[in-house]
Amino acid sequence: EAGVTQFPSHSVIEKGQTVTLRCDPISGHDNLYWYRRVMGKEIKFLLHFVKESKQDESGMPNNRFLAERTGGTYSTLKVQPAELEDSGVYFCASSPPPGTGATASQETQYFGPGTRLLVL
Amino acid sequence: ILNVEQSPQSLHVQEGDSTNFTCSFPSSNFYALHWYRWETAKSPEALFVMTLNGDEKKKGRISATLNTKEGYSYLYIKGSQPEDSATYLCAFMSQFYFGTGTSLTVIP
Repeated sequence: EAGVTQFPSHSVIEKGQTVTLRCDPISGHDNLYWYRRVMGKEIKFLLHFVKESKQDESGMPNNRFLAERTGGTYSTLKVQPAELEDSGVYFCASSPPPGTGATASQETQYFGPGTRLLVL
Repeated sequence: ILNVEQSPQSLHVQEGDSTNFTCSFPSSNFYALHWYRWETAKSPEALFVMTLNGDEKKKGRISATLNTKEGYSYLYIKGSQPEDSATYLCAFMSQFYFGTGTSLTVIP
């Protein structure tokens, strides 16, 4: 079974440019999460999709970040325009639909390899 | 903002030693606590999902316990091996908060 994949693995852009990150979750996983780790800090939640709907986007830092998951399959995270502080590793994770009586947060999340973004 | 704290921040042990780390989290509004193993340049790998007070889970030489009333979880590694060297993360999944991790180095 293929794991969570992310593209690109690395991206170096200049301040003010636009970058789009892509995540392909494990097939059948309704839940898709975006996280970010800024150097030396903890992993921080950005948002959570259930199928194509945004369940929780409370972690999105500002309106320069736009996440989509058209059709409930892969997801994209666009940063426009990019700023220096956006540099970091962007992780995507997916999890299956929760079992009876469970919540999404109680399911194992499978992480992708991350996209390393550097804004110069 | 909720705090998820892990201690110690880093740990060096000799091969064969047993060790444990702590994750503390808010004791209210609990849904789940996740433990991950994270090797440099790789993606975090899920170890355990803990949901009930008193949960004890085990995978090989690694085990974890959970106390939701006092807000802590312990991760134990028995007979550490060099391949156990990694950062161990806990995440309070009620609010998707991760700790900063415990970096373990096992010296051969």
